[in-house]
Amino acid sequence: KQEVTQIPAALSVPEGENLVLNCSFTDSAIYNLQWFRQDPGKGLTSLLLIQSSQREQTSGRLNASLDKSSGRSTLYIAASQPGDSATYLCAVPYNNNDMRFGAGTRLTVKP
Amino acid sequence: SAVISQKPSRDICQRGTSLTIQCQVDSQVTMMFWYRQQPGQSLTLIATANQGSEATYESGFVIDKFPISRPNLTFSTLTVSNMSPEDSSIYLCSARGNSNYGYTFGSGTRLTVV
Repeated sequence: KQEVTQIPAALSVPEGENLVLNCSFTDSAIYNLQWFRQDPGKGLTSLLLIQSSQREQTSGRLNASLDKSSGRSTLYIAASQPGDSATYLCAVPYNNNDMRFGAGTRLTVKP
Repeated sequence: SAVISQKPSRDICQRGTSLTIQCQVDSQVTMMFWYRQQPGQSLTLIATANQGSEATYESGFVIDKFPISRPNLTFSTLTVSNMSPEDSSIYLCSARGNSNYGYTFGSGTRLTVV
């Protein structure tokens, strides 16, 4: 059974800091991994999708890496801004159609 | 990637009533899903919406409580029936093309049952 864990559960940083969010999964037989952002009471916005053959993906200030063999992914956010405050979720496909989500990291960036 | 329009964005409903949530995708997609996110929790899959046939429900979810329709490859509805306060959650629809693509989510429906 696929289990997804995210640490830390919550993170508070001053504006401008670089930060790393961690995601680990127990079954390395995945074909991709996806990072999402969720604002309070809202839906999920896809940030980055990494295929199993890739090591990393970049979008603006965001960089996600994937190490399948160790069952880990990291999301790196450079020069954090108050607008980055949200919950960040990682997810991996499971049983063909389902996705397994981590519990999320709640990020607060203080001005 | 696909764009999903989900409505309503929020609603406050009386117990015992039903609410239907709609999701419209701007392109044909292979798979559509419905998730529930209870307060402070991560997402739980309710069911896979199958085009032209009955939805496939996950353990703990039944068709009588959460009837789902998917008449074509771009549209699906979820009804939350005979609601109780325990049904207060965010409900999200999701879509995916083939397995090489990621999932896209609607903006969510925040349901409060009083």
